[in-house]
Amino acid sequence: QSVLTQPPSASGTPGQRVTISCSGSSSDIGSNSVYWYQQLPGTAPKLLIYRNDQRPSGVPDRFSGSKSGTSASLAISGLRSEDEADYYCAACDDSLSGYVFGTGTKVTVL
Amino acid sequence: QVQLVESGGGEVQPGRSLRLSCAASGFTFSSYGMHWVRQAPGKGLEWVAIMYSDGSNKYYADSVKGRFTISRDSFKNTLYLQMNSLRVEDTAVYYCARDVSIAAAGIDYWGLGTLVTVSS
Repeated sequence: QSVLTQPPSASGTPGQRVTISCSGSSSDIGSNSVYWYQQLPGTAPKLLIYRNDQRPSGVPDRFSGSKSGTSASLAISGLRSEDEADYYCAACDDSLSGYVFGTGTKVTVL
Repeated sequence: QVQLVESGGGEVQPGRSLRLSCAASGFTFSSYGMHWVRQAPGKGLEWVAIMYSDGSNKYYADSVKGRFTISRDSFKNTLYLQMNSLRVEDTAVYYCARDVSIAAAGIDYWGLGTLVTVSS
């Protein structure tokens, strides 16, 4: 089963901007919307971004998503200590008729 | 509000079976595709299976195909995962999750998860 590729870690100081990349293929990101999830330690994942760049109500506008071709990215601006978590991208995969997740990125606030 | 509550997890020996349940509330269960997703200890998220809203289609990850069966009861607003021939590598927290559509487009809501431990 294919997975989407993310960097294992990212970090920044409070107030900085952090960007997380997500690389896929033509059968997943290339032809479907990208979703992003935040998972705080010991908790279930929470939807952060849907349909590439849309924020659910309640998600701060410090979080933004974008997609181009077979890649996507999540940006966190004005980094805060409470943003320290694992972040996952995901998309449907037409070749598998399923859903694939990214490898996950641990964000650390220095 | 949308609520998904998993149950049925526990410790089981390799080769045995277990059935997970997910009680859904706060939305029209029959109008959404539903997923199972798992997370092994200290590892990332792994998609397991999806069932479309009307039960017409089911798809599985290669790692569980032929051993796991997803089903749903729209009268009880409950999603199930029958897990047979369990292996040590199936040890994980299993999450029930709702799709944004009637089929497969993306996950919006997650349950809190139930832990399955496969060990001799």
